[in-house]
Formats: sequence, C-alpha cells, structure tokens
Amino acid sequence: KAGVTQTPRYLIKTRGQQVTLSCSPISGHRSVSWYQQTPGQGLQFLFEYFSETQRNKGNFPGRFSGRQFSNSRSEMNVSTLELGDSALYLCASSLGGSSHEQFFGPGTRLTVL
Amino acid sequence: AQTVTQSQPEMSVQEAETVTLSCTYDTSESDYYLFWYKQPPSRQMILVIRQEAYKQQNATENRFSVNFQKAAKSFSLKISDSQLGDAAMYFCAYNAQGNTPLVFGKGTRLSVIA
Repeated sequence: KAGVTQTPRYLIKTRGQQVTLSCSPISGHRSVSWYQQTPGQGLQFLFEYFSETQRNKGNFPGRFSGRQFSNSRSEMNVSTLELGDSALYLCASSLGGSSHEQFFGPGTRLTVL
Repeated sequence: AQTVTQSQPEMSVQEAETVTLSCTYDTSESDYYLFWYKQPPSRQMILVIRQEAYKQQNATENRFSVNFQKAAKSFSLKISDSQLGDAAMYFCAYNAQGNTPLVFGKGTRLSVIA
C-alpha cells in the first residue's frame, strides 16, 4: 500500500502571497489531519477532515483553511503569508477515531521570505 | 485542555546501551491513547509504540517498551540495545477518546554514540 504523499515537498514564497499544499492519504483512509511543526512551537494541530467535513480545528487564524475531496485527498491553503508561517507542514491520515494510528506524510517545508 | 510534557530536550546513549525517555501528561479522562513517534532527520514521523489507557499491561515492540503509570500520568519509553538508527526526535502524544486530535509533547532529541 502506498503511504501518505504530500506535494510539493519544498516551497518558497514571499510575504503576502498565498499557498496551497496537497495531501493524498493512504487508500481507504477517510481522515486527514494537518499539523504545523516549528522549532519554537513544536507540533501544533491545524485541522482534521473526515469524509469531506471539517471535524476538528486547532487554534490558528482564518488565513489557514482546508478542504477534503470525495477521494479523501486534502488541501490546505494559507493566505496572506507571514514570516511566521515558515514551517514544516505535516499531513496524517487514518481510518478515523482516536484508537487508529495516524500515518504521516513526509511533510512540505514552507519558507516565507 | 490536555497537555503533554517531555522534560528532556536532549538525551544521549551509547550504542548497545539502554535509554529511557520521559513523558507526563495531564488529562481528566479515564480512557485515552498514548503514542511514541520517532522523527528521524528525514522528517518522516513513524509510530514506535502505542498504549491504550484501559490496558494495564505495558506495550512492547521489539527493543521498545513503555512504562505506563496511569495514576502518575506518566508514559516513558525504554529503548534497549540502542542502535545508530535510533537517533532521532522522539515525540510523546496523547489522544482522547472520540474524534479528537493528537496532542504532542515538545520532543526529545536522542543521540546514539558509537
């Protein structure tokens, strides 16, 4: 079974721009979660989608948004980029439910200049 | 809100020796799940071991085992016969029952000395 894939792997943007990151979950997984990882704040939960519905949302500003498609692929969008948005963005998929293991993708490294 | 604390930012161990990474958490729930994830330099997060709170028996996966102390809200990871490939960031994570997100600790960077 193919693992979780994320595209692109690396991205460089400038302040004020917007960016879209993509995540393809493991086949059969309906839950996709997004995390932001920075040296200072560690791993912080952004949001989770399950069957095209946002099920949970972390404490991030409205500039961060996401969606999930009928094939469970998910995208997250960050508008009006700020320097502090520079981070590794990790996507994880699971069958859904807290007992199920989350499988992580390799991440997208976003640098905002 | 649930919190997870890893009090050791960095640890080191000699190859073939044993090391224990600490993790404590705060919750008012009685049923939950605990995880240890490994993040090597490649940045790919890999599940090392999981523990269901309702199980009293400590989980074990080959050289990795946990010491789960529910009353003390402690969940430490023991790595036996450490190998160079064990060098990585290790994250302790908590997941409450129901459809809730993982809560991660800040991580412990483990170095393995040859």
